[in-house]
Amino acid sequence: GNSVTQMEGPVTLSEEAFLTINCTYTATGYPSLFWYVQYPGEGLQLLLKATKADDKGSNKGFEATYRKETTSFHLEKGSVQVSDSAVYFCALSDRGGSQGNLIFGKGTKLSVKP
Amino acid sequence: GAVVSQHPSRVICKSGTSVKIECRSLDFQATTMFWYRQFPKQSLMLMATSNEGSKATYEQGVEKDKFLINHASLTLSTLTVTSAHPEDSSFYICSARVPGQGNSPLHFGNGTRLTVT
Repeated sequence: GNSVTQMEGPVTLSEEAFLTINCTYTATGYPSLFWYVQYPGEGLQLLLKATKADDKGSNKGFEATYRKETTSFHLEKGSVQVSDSAVYFCALSDRGGSQGNLIFGKGTKLSVKP
Repeated sequence: GAVVSQHPSRVICKSGTSVKIECRSLDFQATTMFWYRQFPKQSLMLMATSNEGSKATYEQGVEKDKFLINHASLTLSTLTVTSAHPEDSSFYICSARVPGQGNSPLHFGNGTRLTVT
């Protein structure tokens, strides 16, 4: 079945360090791919998305490229801030239309130290 | 942007009692809402799809008699955990998609932390 695998955390970085959180997926067809972020005490928020191969999603300095050849959607940021501390979830949408739902990875907790 | 409100954010209940969690779409009508459960250090797992005016669709392994879902209006879905036990302690999150936006991202509530003592 469809699944998402992302690197296990926690990840601890110093401010302004480079961030990579790996995400790979298994899916039939052509899923859409997402990164969601969950700040402490809050619900999930969409960070970025890509709907087809070679698309690059970007937001708030974060980027991820939909790589069909490697079935990956790694999240990157060139210079992290303390405010980026959160849990990041990679997800894929395996059903189209209004009945679509998401399959999530286990989440990666990021802590950024000043 | 679209907002999904979930209430309560935290609830502690005694074993054997029932707990109701509400999920509201504040600025859009949601014919479909999704209920997820998140265990510590685990991914979010889809429990059920809530359909306005009809029965919910439960994922395999989710007890429909234990997790009662009612989608009574276009802006409200409720999840009732009946006869709760400590193993039901978890983080429950609802979500909804703005109608007509196809495969667009889901909008999530802030979640409900349930602790059963």
